[in-house]
Amino acid sequence: AQSVTQLDSQVPVFEEAPVELRCNYSSSVSVYLFWYVQYPNQGLQLLLKYLSGSTLVESINGFEAEFNKSQTSFHLRKPSVHISDTAEYFCAVSDQNYGGSQGNLIFGKGTKLSVKP
Amino acid sequence: DAMVIQNPRYQVTQFGKPVTLSCSQTLNHNVMYWYQQKSSQAPKLLFHYYDKDFNNEADTPDNFQSRRPNTSFCFLDIRSPGLGDAAMYLCATSRETVTTGQDNTEAFFGQGTRLTVV
Repeated sequence: AQSVTQLDSQVPVFEEAPVELRCNYSSSVSVYLFWYVQYPNQGLQLLLKYLSGSTLVESINGFEAEFNKSQTSFHLRKPSVHISDTAEYFCAVSDQNYGGSQGNLIFGKGTKLSVKP
Repeated sequence: DAMVIQNPRYQVTQFGKPVTLSCSQTLNHNVMYWYQQKSSQAPKLLFHYYDKDFNNEADTPDNFQSRRPNTSFCFLDIRSPGLGDAAMYLCATSRETVTTGQDNTEAFFGQGTRLTVV
């Protein structure tokens, strides 16, 4: 069985400051790792994912996450946040052995990022 | 261009009155999922369809059922909604392949249906 822990339920930061949202997972099998973003009353949008290869993955809007197998972590970072980054961020894992699809997801409880001017 | 569409966005139903939520997709994905997300909690998988094969999560209550009449549509039926079933219900789709680790097999989510039980 897998589980995902997001240590911070809320992270307030000022605009243009750096931010790190932490995610740790536990699993007895190899997993794929994801970050999803959810704006108020909206569905989930995939931000970035790690499947294999380079452990550092990037999104088109400046976020990056690094897979650290020894620490079982997949922390999300952005060097300079904008007001528009205010949202809830969910870390998730899926079992690599579960066929080829990545929709059977175990989510963390989410981190609410609040960017203040 | 919405690819996973959920209707309605907001649904109010009476305690104990059956309710159906719908999801459609234009991606031609073979897998469709239903997640339940209660307030301030993580989304939780209820069940999914792989083509026409239904896969129920072990802890999904019997009160929740699903139908998938064709590739594009999937429905969530709640037979007797209780107050505890008030939540956001998220539909997602993905493309399953026989090879693990392929790109473009991630899940795409709809905007969700927020269910209120009165």
